[in-house]
Amino acid sequence: DAKTTQPNSMESNEEEPVHLPCNHSTISGTDYIHWYRQLPSQGPEYVIHGLTSNVNNRMASLAIAEDRKSSTLILHRATLRDAAVYYCILSQSYAAGNKLTFGGGTRVLVKP
Amino acid sequence: DVKVTQSSRYLVKRTGEKVFLECVQDMDHENMFWYRQDPGLGLRLIYFSYDVKMKEKGDIPEGYSVSREKKERFSLILESASTNQTSMYLCASRYSGNYNEQFFGPGTRLTVL
Repeated sequence: DAKTTQPNSMESNEEEPVHLPCNHSTISGTDYIHWYRQLPSQGPEYVIHGLTSNVNNRMASLAIAEDRKSSTLILHRATLRDAAVYYCILSQSYAAGNKLTFGGGTRVLVKP
Repeated sequence: DVKVTQSSRYLVKRTGEKVFLECVQDMDHENMFWYRQDPGLGLRLIYFSYDVKMKEKGDIPEGYSVSREKKERFSLILESASTNQTSMYLCASRYSGNYNEQFFGPGTRLTVL
């Protein structure tokens, strides 16, 4: 399985943007890039996913490098509720069950 | 809203006991998953199920079995619990298809003494 590399932790001030990098240099052409986050004492929740083009939804934006070897999750205005562990995950589009392999993630601390 | 529920938030069992962890989803999802989460190791897939009565081993199936008799329910079974199975167990479900998101339950923290 292709692997992802993320920083262990990042800090941000409330209402400022947060840019979370993810390196995936061994990504294959059929791998989707998924982001999930896990709030304290909860199960993970879906944030966003993409293949080649940048993606936006109500939670975040996903910027994908042209060579697809890296991507960045952007939280436009961090709130205290965004403090969580953020996971960048590759999943092959044809994989049965669309298995997700979670790495260590990035712990985001939001300061008021 | 999709809801994935797990039978217990906290569970304490003794070594050698048979343990059942239950997961129920209410959105008619075909696929269901069991993960365990341990500090420093992230989430690891134990088993998943494509549909009723169908199951596949994940990355760490040893010491576990599963049952899916009804579409909405996926059970994880520890035949003889051991202390190294102390962990947070997370259930998830999703519609089948290439990139549909997984919906997770709140987790069961199992302690085996």
